[in-house]
Amino acid sequence: NAGVTQTPKFQVLKTGQSMTLQCAQDMNHEYMSWYRQDPGMGLRLIHYSVGAGITDQGEVPNGYNVSRSTTEDFPLRLLSAAPSQTSVYFCASRTGGGETEAFFGQGTRLTVV
Amino acid sequence: GNSVTQMEGPVTLSEEAFLTINCTYTATGYPSLFWYVQYPGEGLQLLLKATKADDKGSNKGFEATYRKETTSFHLEKGSVQVSDSAVYFCALPPSGSARQLTFGSGTQLTVLP
Repeated sequence: NAGVTQTPKFQVLKTGQSMTLQCAQDMNHEYMSWYRQDPGMGLRLIHYSVGAGITDQGEVPNGYNVSRSTTEDFPLRLLSAAPSQTSVYFCASRTGGGETEAFFGQGTRLTVV
Repeated sequence: GNSVTQMEGPVTLSEEAFLTINCTYTATGYPSLFWYVQYPGEGLQLLLKATKADDKGSNKGFEATYRKETTSFHLEKGSVQVSDSAVYFCALPPSGSARQLTFGSGTQLTVLP
């Protein structure tokens, strides 16, 4: 069982470059979300989606775009990378509604120089 | 809104020591409560949960009891092992305007042989 798959695992970008972090899940989950994890700050929600075609902003959305064209995929786009976006990014999915368990990918460690 | 306050880390223990990581929460009603664990280099995974007041969640020797009187869900283990070294997150499920999980800031545990 693949679960939630994130690619790449590591990435180095130059300031101003753009890139897309990929996230795919094979559990037919309705809800997907992106978090960033920074030392001493826990997990902060960037964007989330409650189904194909529906996305919304989380706590720290600036500088990031998302789309959800299929149930399986939820890519995160960095439009113009900045050093402040150096972080570890996690994608998560869960079944819709209720108090359900979230499943996480292994993370993408991004460094912006 | 929902919030989770978690014991500050890091915590360093010797093998076979007793572990307590404190967690208190603010929420409307009586939601389920979760503990997630993040092993080095991996994403978060559900460690245990409790779905109602006075419930005890348990897994891998860890336990946590849902105390509505003190709005707490402290994580305990009687005898930690080196393999328990990880970051532990207390979490609330989505509710109301909070469409995604609410996490505590995480507690880094290091167990020394």
